[in-house]
Amino acid sequence: AQSVAQPEDQVNVAEGNPLTVKCTYSVSGNPYLFWYVQYPNRGLQFLLKYITGDNLVKGSYGFEAEFNKSQTSFHLKKPSALVSDSALYFCAVRERNTGFQKLVFGTGTRLLVSP
Amino acid sequence: DVKVTQSSRYLVKRTGEKVFLECVQDMDHENMFWYRQDPGLGLRLIYFSYDVKMKEKGDIPEGYSVSREKKERFSLILESASTNQTSMYLCASSLTQASGNTIYFGEGSWLTVV
Repeated sequence: AQSVAQPEDQVNVAEGNPLTVKCTYSVSGNPYLFWYVQYPNRGLQFLLKYITGDNLVKGSYGFEAEFNKSQTSFHLKKPSALVSDSALYFCAVRERNTGFQKLVFGTGTRLLVSP
Repeated sequence: DVKVTQSSRYLVKRTGEKVFLECVQDMDHENMFWYRQDPGLGLRLIYFSYDVKMKEKGDIPEGYSVSREKKERFSLILESASTNQTSMYLCASSLTQASGNTIYFGEGSWLTVV
């Protein structure tokens, strides 16, 4: 069965510093990996996804994520955090296969960027 | 841009009431989903639909049903609301069943059952 772990409930970073939100996954085959962001009282917004190819994926709002197959990780990164990046971030995994494959979410990591 | 619209953002219902949550997408997507979001539990799939009049159970279908009479519309029904169904409900859609397709979410419906 697929699973996702986001080991940190909250990440605190000062504005202008680099940020990392961690994600590890478990699938029986090859994964598709996704990051979403949720602002207060809003739905989830798609940030980026890894399908194939380059292990470094660039997404919206200056975010990027690095796929590491040996460590089964897909950490979200940004070189310089903004206060407006403060939100709840979800990592999700889907097994690469035919037919319907469920998208499994982590429990979320709250990012707090201080001025 | 994909738009998934959930018509009711905030609802308060009484225990035992029948509740309808409506969702519409405007991108001709085949797949539609209903998730429930609770603190510390992440998102859990309630039901999904891959075609008109087709539905499949997700992880937590008990106490819920769905309806998809038109491709663009997917409704979640709580036949008899209970307090443990107080939650944030998220509708979503994707183009096809292909695993690499992005799932797009609506703004969410906050349901409180009293």
